[in-house]
Amino acid sequence: GAGVSQSPRYKVAKRGQDVALRCDPISGHVSLFWYQQALGQGPEFLTYFQNEAQLDKSGLPSDRFFAERPEGSVSTLKIQRTQQEDSAVYLCASNGKGGYANTGELFFGEGSRLTVL
Amino acid sequence: AQRVTQPEKLLSVFKGAPVELKCNYSYSGSPELFWYVQYSRQRLQLLLRHISRESIKGFTADLNKGETSFHLKKPFAQEEDSAMYYCALSGLSGGYQKVTFGTGTKLQVIP
Repeated sequence: GAGVSQSPRYKVAKRGQDVALRCDPISGHVSLFWYQQALGQGPEFLTYFQNEAQLDKSGLPSDRFFAERPEGSVSTLKIQRTQQEDSAVYLCASNGKGGYANTGELFFGEGSRLTVL
Repeated sequence: AQRVTQPEKLLSVFKGAPVELKCNYSYSGSPELFWYVQYSRQRLQLLLRHISRESIKGFTADLNKGETSFHLKKPFAQEEDSAMYYCALSGLSGGYQKVTFGTGTKLQVIP
């Protein structure tokens, strides 16, 4: 497709379950960002990939959060042993340039809304 | 560290009235500033960036480095402007341009 695609759009998990959220960026985009957006808040940075390399994971809130992008295209955000505070919309964004050439113009997916009961 | 502050959660204006959405930032280097918009049931998308110095949908924003501000303005609000607006800063961090967002302002244009 032409845009960033995320799945699932909605996920309900029981506390303690593991979840996996997928992001399919725009073809050829080097940079990929994950953000967490809690209700009434702005997008909070989680992690950044340049191709397959995870250059920054400083925003991941705990070691229960893990992200990967093994072939430099599709990325998966995994949350283990989900807690209620993990309930949020998880946004994926990509753009075409990497490193110093990267700009702030990001192309966003529609997000995956996670609800932990 | 980079930080973006949007002091207003909600801004309500009447149609035809001027709009100003406030944004202040904190960054030690030379930032690139952006405004993103999210209309109802749509994805977050870029509205404008400071380096373009252009007007998009009647909106403009000027980077004021002295006041570390990047306020978004429109002289006459339209109903279709109702949306969430996020100010964002792109700054060099660990070898890449990290993008940090504010908490957002909901603009409500009253007919």
